[in-house]
Amino acid sequence: QETLQESGPGLVKPSETLSLTCTVSSGSISNFYWSWIRQPPGKGLEWIGYVHHSGTTDYNPSLKSRVTMSVDTAKNQFSLKLSSVTAADTAVYYCARPLWSGAPYYMDVWGKGTTVTVSS
Amino acid sequence: DIQMTQSPSSVSASVGDSVTVTCQASQDIGTWVAWYQQRPGNAPKILIYAASTLQTGVPSRFSGSGSGTAFTLTISSLQPEDFATYYCQQAFAFPLTLGGGTQVEIK
Repeated sequence: QETLQESGPGLVKPSETLSLTCTVSSGSISNFYWSWIRQPPGKGLEWIGYVHHSGTTDYNPSLKSRVTMSVDTAKNQFSLKLSSVTAADTAVYYCARPLWSGAPYYMDVWGKGTTVTVSS
Repeated sequence: DIQMTQSPSSVSASVGDSVTVTCQASQDIGTWVAWYQQRPGNAPKILIYAASTLQTGVPSRFSGSGSGTAFTLTISSLQPEDFATYYCQQAFAFPLTLGGGTQVEIK
């Protein structure tokens, strides 16, 4: 069964860049649109964007100016970079895979999430 | 962006009760809706997609309905493991957006 695992620093200083990686295990990164979703403490879920194995991306306009996503097919990983972070970016960050290849609509497989705190 | 408005924000119920959660979209989204369950400390889990299709392995006490702008998630005969927060999500247009969540609590 395919699993996803987020990794990266748990603490980031304000104005710096948050960098996370999601490793796909027991499955291929090919043909899927891979999403990042975040959840601030005690709040709801926010879709950040997706990256396709081909490198195609789509970002939430609310974060678009600060977000970069990429994929490393050789390592079966995809990544998120969020620049100029503030305390408002403190959240649990999830990576997720949709139900169907070729369609990024409904998230079926999720990582366990990683908590990122923005603080000096 | 399409706004998804969920109600109620929380509901108290007992084991064996039936609970209905509603989600209102800010525009017509057909049946492009999913429902997720999130237990504390866990990642969300998809229950229903395309408004009414039950994901494989999800108990049949969960059901979804609706089209256009109004959608419902019904949990019949609540079980202890169903006490969680539920989110709707639209997939009609990007950015994907989710409702604010409905917490189902034990009465």
